[in-house]
Amino acid sequence: NFMLTQPHSVSESPGKTVTISCTRSSGSIASNFVQWYQQRPGSSPTNVIYEDTQRPSGVPDRFSGSIDSSSNSASLTISGLKTEDEADYYCQSYDTSHWVFGGGTRLTVL
Amino acid sequence: QLQVQESGPGLVKPSETLSLTCTVSGGSISRASYYWGWIRQPPGKGLEYIGSIYYSGTTYHNPSLKSRVTISVDTSKNQISLKMRSVTVADTAVYYCARHPAGGWGYFDPWGQGTLVTVSS
Repeated sequence: NFMLTQPHSVSESPGKTVTISCTRSSGSIASNFVQWYQQRPGSSPTNVIYEDTQRPSGVPDRFSGSIDSSSNSASLTISGLKTEDEADYYCQSYDTSHWVFGGGTRLTVL
Repeated sequence: QLQVQESGPGLVKPSETLSLTCTVSGGSISRASYYWGWIRQPPGKGLEYIGSIYYSGTTYHNPSLKSRVTISVDTSKNQISLKMRSVTVADTAVYYCARHPAGGWGYFDPWGQGTLVTVSS
């Protein structure tokens, strides 16, 4: 079993770029795909990145994902920040016969 | 358009069993290569995977909850169900239902709106 660790919160100004990390505690980050979900207050989560780097249709290309084996982590990068991007973001990956979520990162756009 | 909707009692007493249903509309729960999962979120906290089921009855479980959880499927009603035994206040959460592909790829989508279950005497 492994855990996914995310920073509790990040903040950045509109128009800027922010990166949220997700570090896997054991085993290689490249062993299983990483997904990212956005959850706005009072709403259900929606996917913004799947299979490390893929965007579902309808998600703007300001959202991008990557993995870094040297730090055993995945990252979600949001460029050209908009106030509507303010939300909680969760990473997720697959372990043997179950899924693991990171603890979530609160993004504040101010 | 595929939709999922959770339903069940909003209040459960400690030590009792929590029972929820997820109803799928706009598509068949028996579609090959997709599982139907339960995820929960305590108030003000993060997401926790509970488990999933395939239309054939094959299940995935979060190891930390497996001993208290039963997930079942009723293909005739296009529904899945969650039962969690011996609940405590720590089980108070919004419970979501969502579809995901079989195996470790793809993503959970769509999600239901969630249903809040409060454990209290």
